[in-house]
Amino acid sequence: DQQVKQNSPSLSVQEGRISILNCDYTNSMFDYFLWYKKYPAEGPTFLISISSIKDKNEDGRFTVFLNKSAKHLSLHIVPSQPGDSAVYFCAARGSTLGRLYFGRGTQLTVWP
Amino acid sequence: DSGVTQTPKHLITATGQRVTLRCSPRSGDLSVYWYQQSLDQGLQFLIQYYNGEERAKGNILERFSAQQFPDLHSELNLSSLELGDSALYFCASASPGQVFTDTQYFGPGTRLTVL
Repeated sequence: DQQVKQNSPSLSVQEGRISILNCDYTNSMFDYFLWYKKYPAEGPTFLISISSIKDKNEDGRFTVFLNKSAKHLSLHIVPSQPGDSAVYFCAARGSTLGRLYFGRGTQLTVWP
Repeated sequence: DSGVTQTPKHLITATGQRVTLRCSPRSGDLSVYWYQQSLDQGLQFLIQYYNGEERAKGNILERFSAQQFPDLHSELNLSSLELGDSALYFCASASPGQVFTDTQYFGPGTRLTVL
Protein backbone atom coordinates (compact mmCIF):
# COMPACT_ATOMS: atom_id res chain seq x y z
CA ASP A 1 0.00 0.00 0.00
CA GLN A 2 1.92 2.99 -1.31
CA GLN A 3 0.70 5.96 0.67
CA VAL A 4 3.26 8.29 -0.87
CA LYS A 5 3.59 8.20 -4.62
CA GLN A 6 6.11 9.65 -6.99
CA ASN A 7 4.69 8.83 -10.37
CA SER A 8 7.64 10.01 -12.43
CA PRO A 9 10.60 7.67 -12.05
CA SER A 10 12.85 10.07 -13.94
CA LEU A 11 13.16 13.70 -14.98
CA SER A 12 15.70 15.30 -17.29
CA VAL A 13 16.29 19.06 -17.20
CA GLN A 14 18.80 21.41 -18.77
CA GLU A 15 21.17 23.29 -16.50
CA GLY A 16 19.78 26.66 -15.46
CA ARG A 17 16.16 25.68 -15.95
CA ILE A 18 13.60 24.79 -13.30
CA SER A 19 13.21 21.23 -12.07
CA ILE A 20 9.81 20.29 -10.68
CA LEU A 21 9.46 17.02 -8.83
CA ASN A 22 6.00 15.89 -7.83
CA CYS A 23 4.63 13.78 -5.04
CA ASP A 24 1.11 12.66 -4.12
CA TYR A 25 -0.12 11.16 -0.89
CA THR A 26 -3.26 9.40 0.19
CA ASN A 27 -3.29 9.53 3.98
CA SER A 28 -5.02 12.62 5.36
CA MET A 29 -3.26 12.02 8.70
CA PHE A 30 0.05 13.15 7.20
CA ASP A 31 1.01 16.56 8.50
CA TYR A 32 4.71 16.86 7.84
CA PHE A 33 6.49 16.32 4.56
CA LEU A 34 10.14 16.01 3.66
CA TRP A 35 12.33 15.72 0.62
CA TYR A 36 15.52 13.70 0.64
CA LYS A 37 18.24 13.58 -1.97
CA LYS A 38 20.31 10.49 -2.62
CA TYR A 39 23.53 10.10 -4.56
CA PRO A 40 24.75 6.65 -5.63
CA ALA A 41 26.54 4.70 -2.90
CA GLU A 42 25.40 7.16 -0.23
CA GLY A 43 22.51 7.34 2.19
CA PRO A 44 19.65 9.78 1.62
CA THR A 45 20.30 13.29 2.90
CA PHE A 46 17.63 15.60 4.20
CA LEU A 47 16.91 18.47 1.85
CA ILE A 48 13.84 20.45 2.87
CA SER A 49 10.59 19.97 4.75
CA ILE A 50 7.20 21.56 5.18
CA SER A 51 4.54 21.40 7.84
CA SER A 52 0.91 21.10 6.86
CA ILE A 53 0.19 24.51 8.38
CA LYS A 54 2.17 26.07 5.55
CA ASP A 55 1.77 25.94 1.80
CA LYS A 56 5.29 26.94 0.86
CA ASN A 57 8.78 26.66 2.28
CA GLU A 58 11.87 28.04 0.63
CA ASP A 59 15.55 27.35 1.20
CA GLY A 60 17.89 28.87 -1.33
CA ARG A 61 17.31 27.27 -4.71
CA PHE A 62 14.83 24.77 -3.26
CA THR A 63 11.15 25.46 -2.67
CA VAL A 64 8.54 22.98 -1.58
CA PHE A 65 4.86 23.64 -2.24
CA LEU A 66 2.05 21.85 -0.47
CA ASN A 67 -1.52 21.61 -1.72
CA LYS A 68 -3.42 19.88 1.06
CA SER A 69 -6.75 19.77 -0.72
CA ALA A 70 -5.16 17.91 -3.62
CA LYS A 71 -2.85 15.91 -1.34
CA HIS A 72 0.01 16.98 -3.54
CA LEU A 73 3.41 18.47 -2.98
CA SER A 74 6.15 19.52 -5.30
CA LEU A 75 9.81 20.41 -5.07
CA HIS A 76 11.09 23.20 -7.28
CA ILE A 77 14.79 23.62 -7.94
CA VAL A 78 15.77 26.91 -9.55
CA PRO A 79 18.18 27.16 -11.23
CA SER A 80 19.02 23.49 -11.69
CA GLN A 81 22.69 22.53 -11.60
CA PRO A 82 24.46 19.35 -12.74
CA GLY A 83 25.31 18.62 -9.09
CA ASP A 84 21.58 18.33 -8.40
CA SER A 85 21.53 15.09 -10.41
CA ALA A 86 20.41 12.50 -7.87
CA VAL A 87 17.40 10.49 -6.77
CA TYR A 88 14.87 12.58 -4.85
CA PHE A 89 12.59 10.91 -2.33
CA CYS A 90 9.42 12.42 -1.01
CA ALA A 91 8.45 11.38 2.53
CA ALA A 92 5.53 12.05 4.82
CA ARG A 93 4.60 11.47 8.43
CA GLY A 94 1.78 12.11 10.81
CA SER A 95 2.18 13.08 14.45
CA THR A 96 0.36 9.94 15.55
CA LEU A 97 1.93 7.63 13.00
CA GLY A 98 5.48 7.78 14.29
CA ARG A 99 7.28 6.85 11.11
CA LEU A 100 8.11 8.20 7.70
CA TYR A 101 6.47 6.90 4.56
CA PHE A 102 8.63 7.21 1.47
CA GLY A 103 7.86 7.39 -2.20
CA ARG A 104 9.87 5.34 -4.68
CA GLY A 105 11.97 8.26 -5.79
CA THR A 106 12.53 10.30 -8.93
CA GLN A 107 15.87 10.25 -10.70
CA LEU A 108 16.72 13.83 -11.67
CA THR A 109 19.32 14.36 -14.37
CA VAL A 110 20.53 17.89 -15.03
CA TRP A 111 22.48 18.18 -18.26
CA PRO A 112 24.76 21.04 -19.30
CA ASP B 1 28.68 13.11 6.77
CA SER B 2 25.39 12.58 8.60
CA GLY B 3 27.04 11.30 11.78
CA VAL B 4 25.31 7.93 11.44
CA THR B 5 27.69 5.02 10.90
CA GLN B 6 26.90 1.61 9.50
CA THR B 7 29.07 -1.48 9.26
CA PRO B 8 29.92 -3.35 7.22
CA LYS B 9 29.69 -1.36 4.01
CA HIS B 10 29.40 -4.48 1.87
CA LEU B 11 28.41 -8.01 2.76
CA ILE B 12 28.37 -11.04 0.50
CA THR B 13 26.93 -14.27 1.79
CA ALA B 14 25.10 -17.40 0.72
CA THR B 15 21.47 -18.41 0.91
CA GLY B 16 20.46 -19.85 4.25
CA GLN B 17 23.06 -17.90 6.17
CA ARG B 18 22.61 -15.34 8.92
CA VAL B 19 24.15 -11.86 9.05
CA THR B 20 24.18 -8.93 11.44
CA LEU B 21 24.22 -5.32 10.34
CA ARG B 22 25.31 -2.66 12.77
CA CYS B 23 24.31 0.98 13.15
CA SER B 24 25.56 3.74 15.43
CA PRO B 25 23.24 6.75 15.58
CA ARG B 26 24.25 10.39 15.75
CA SER B 27 25.37 11.53 19.15
CA GLY B 28 22.31 12.33 21.23
CA ASP B 29 19.78 10.67 18.94
CA LEU B 30 17.51 8.20 20.69
CA SER B 31 15.61 6.82 17.71
CA VAL B 32 16.96 4.35 15.19
CA TYR B 33 15.12 3.30 12.06
CA TRP B 34 15.95 0.50 9.64
CA TYR B 35 15.04 0.57 5.96
CA GLN B 36 15.48 -1.78 3.04
CA GLN B 37 15.95 -0.55 -0.50
CA SER B 38 15.68 -3.19 -3.20
CA LEU B 39 16.08 -2.59 -6.91
CA ASP B 40 13.24 -0.41 -8.25
CA GLN B 41 11.77 -0.09 -4.79
CA GLY B 42 11.65 2.91 -2.58
CA LEU B 43 12.76 2.90 1.00
CA GLN B 44 10.80 0.20 2.77
CA PHE B 45 10.52 0.87 6.47
CA LEU B 46 11.39 -2.16 8.55
CA ILE B 47 11.44 -1.21 12.21
CA GLN B 48 12.04 1.64 14.65
CA TYR B 49 13.61 1.62 18.10
CA TYR B 50 13.46 4.44 20.59
CA ASN B 51 15.79 4.43 23.57
CA GLY B 52 16.07 0.66 23.53
CA GLU B 53 12.43 -0.18 22.93
CA GLU B 54 10.65 -1.15 19.76
CA ARG B 55 8.45 1.75 18.72
CA ALA B 56 7.06 0.91 15.29
CA LYS B 57 7.13 -2.01 12.91
CA GLY B 58 6.82 -1.95 9.16
CA ASN B 59 7.30 -4.57 6.49
CA ILE B 60 9.78 -6.64 8.43
CA LEU B 61 9.92 -10.36 7.76
CA GLU B 62 9.81 -12.82 10.62
CA ARG B 63 13.30 -13.96 9.58
CA PHE B 64 14.55 -10.48 10.46
CA SER B 65 14.96 -9.05 13.92
CA ALA B 66 16.53 -6.00 15.46
CA GLN B 67 17.50 -4.57 18.79
CA GLN B 68 18.85 -1.36 20.26
CA PHE B 69 21.43 -1.62 23.00
CA PRO B 70 21.92 0.60 26.09
CA ASP B 71 24.61 2.59 24.28
CA LEU B 72 21.94 3.23 21.61
CA HIS B 73 23.65 1.39 18.78
CA SER B 74 21.39 -0.99 16.91
CA GLU B 75 21.76 -4.29 15.12
CA LEU B 76 19.61 -5.79 12.40
CA ASN B 77 19.78 -9.56 12.21
CA LEU B 78 18.81 -11.29 8.98
CA SER B 79 18.54 -15.08 9.03
CA SER B 80 17.74 -17.89 6.59
CA LEU B 81 18.78 -15.52 3.86
CA GLU B 82 17.18 -15.74 0.44
CA LEU B 83 18.27 -14.30 -2.90
CA GLY B 84 15.49 -11.70 -2.61
CA ASP B 85 17.04 -10.29 0.54
CA SER B 86 19.81 -8.76 -1.53
CA ALA B 87 19.37 -5.03 -1.06
CA LEU B 88 20.72 -1.88 0.48
CA TYR B 89 19.94 -1.63 4.16
CA PHE B 90 19.90 1.83 5.65
CA CYS B 91 19.84 2.92 9.21
CA ALA B 92 18.61 6.37 10.19
CA SER B 93 18.55 8.19 13.48
CA ALA B 94 16.50 11.05 14.83
CA SER B 95 16.18 12.99 18.01
CA PRO B 96 12.82 13.76 19.57
CA GLY B 97 12.85 17.44 18.90
CA GLN B 98 9.83 19.63 18.59
CA VAL B 99 6.64 18.04 17.44
CA PHE B 100 6.62 17.72 13.64
CA THR B 101 10.37 18.02 13.29
CA ASP B 102 11.41 14.40 13.51
CA THR B 103 13.88 14.63 10.65
CA GLN B 104 15.81 11.45 10.10
CA TYR B 105 19.50 11.32 9.25
CA PHE B 106 20.68 8.36 7.24
CA GLY B 107 23.83 6.32 7.34
CA PRO B 108 25.69 5.31 4.17
CA GLY B 109 24.02 1.90 4.08
CA THR B 110 25.11 -1.72 3.96
CA ARG B 111 24.91 -3.46 0.61
CA LEU B 112 23.95 -7.08 1.16
CA THR B 113 24.41 -9.57 -1.64
CA VAL B 114 23.03 -13.06 -1.20
CA LEU B 115 24.42 -15.61 -3.67
